[in-house]
Amino acid sequence: GAVVSQHPSWVICKSGTSVKIECRSLDFQATTMFWYRQFPKQSLMLMATSNEGSKATYEQGVEKDKFLINHASLTLSTLTVTSAHPEDSSFYICSGSRGNTGELFFGEGSRLTVL
Amino acid sequence: EDQVTQSPEALRLQEGESSSLNCSYTVSGLRGLFWYRQDPGKGPEFLFTLYSAGEEKEKERLKATLTKKESFLHITAPKPEDSATYLCAVRPGGSNYKLTFGKGTLLTVNP
Repeated sequence: GAVVSQHPSWVICKSGTSVKIECRSLDFQATTMFWYRQFPKQSLMLMATSNEGSKATYEQGVEKDKFLINHASLTLSTLTVTSAHPEDSSFYICSGSRGNTGELFFGEGSRLTVL
Repeated sequence: EDQVTQSPEALRLQEGESSSLNCSYTVSGLRGLFWYRQDPGKGPEFLFTLYSAGEEKEKERLKATLTKKESFLHITAPKPEDSATYLCAVRPGGSNYKLTFGKGTLLTVNP
């Protein structure tokens, strides 16, 4: 399978600060990357879809000014949680689409805790 | 609206006790049904893709099947290392590779 690397694996920050999470496809080019959020014992909730070189498309209810997504290259997408608050604490997972099979390959996830 | 329902929510098996997980779906123009395995604190690991009714795929002790309304993940003679949450997802027709996920089935295999 394809490899997606996500960093950091976990981060603790103070309320009001910003946190950046990186997602890299290591052995394939991901034209499209997706960012998900997962609460305990819940399924993955799609936050946004990012395409290389263009603006991300956000799902309904996701604040685009709070969750900044940049897809600078075919192997790198970043999610920045701006002015984080405790309610932003969650497990964030990125994924990349390889080819046109529709198969998504996921990163290891990033656990964000906002104090 | 596309929906994916997985059952049961949780399943406990003894090692060697075979069983099946269910994924029922309603989707406009299915372009793929996906099974993933997720370990605690980790991202989902890709298992299978099924595209059309009647299709089957196997990997070690796992076998996935697909009908027009549901998919089954059969686990034969499971081992404790098969313990994980198994997620089912569908890709609707016309989607930009967006997947709709079910809530998953938490499988625990006791030695």
